[in-house]
Amino acid sequence: GQNIDQPTEMTATEGAIVQINCTYQTSGFNGLFWYQQHAGEAPTFLSYNVLDGLEEKGRFSSFLSRSKGYSYLLLKELQMKDSASYLCAVRGYGSGNTGKLIFGQGTTLQVKP
Amino acid sequence: EAQVTQNPRYLITVTGKKLTVTCSQNMNHEYMSWYRQDPGLGLRQIYYSMNVEVTDKGDVPEGYKVSRKEKRNFPLILESPSPNQTSLYFCASSLFNPQGEQYFGPGTRLTVT
Repeated sequence: GQNIDQPTEMTATEGAIVQINCTYQTSGFNGLFWYQQHAGEAPTFLSYNVLDGLEEKGRFSSFLSRSKGYSYLLLKELQMKDSASYLCAVRGYGSGNTGKLIFGQGTTLQVKP
Repeated sequence: EAQVTQNPRYLITVTGKKLTVTCSQNMNHEYMSWYRQDPGLGLRQIYYSMNVEVTDKGDVPEGYKVSRKEKRNFPLILESPSPNQTSLYFCASSLFNPQGEQYFGPGTRLTVT
């Protein structure tokens, strides 16, 4: 089976940097996604990591360590509009499973002035 | 405009009355998927389709059916809805199996009484 853990809630200040962690235990690994979801809206794609290391995209960066079963999403120069839930998801591995996606419960980030 | 559409957006129904939630994408994507989202449980995959006539179970397929007769459409069928299927449902698509960005529909809020 697969298990994905994220903190339930986080609070940060406008202009600051915040790191949202995601740990996973899986029988195999085929990629990890981060999505952003504002309240009442659909999720939107942020990043997809397959190899170890840091990928930067504007104010958002995502890091992956496959050996540790660990990823984080780094948000810099926080803005009020970054208040949202951040979802970590792992792609299934092996024959018949590559279309599967397992999501964590999500981390609700509140950005305060 | 590239998009995933779902209908209806809101539905209140009674136990046992068959219903279909439609999902359509105009991006010629091969991969499509259905999720349900419940408080405290996050997003859970119901069914997915890697291509026309190819469908597979996700994590929570019980009580649901799907079909993929043409590339653009992926309807979700509840043959005999029950109150525990009250949830927010999302359809999503991506170009191939989920190696990159998945585009989500706006969601369908279903209440079964």
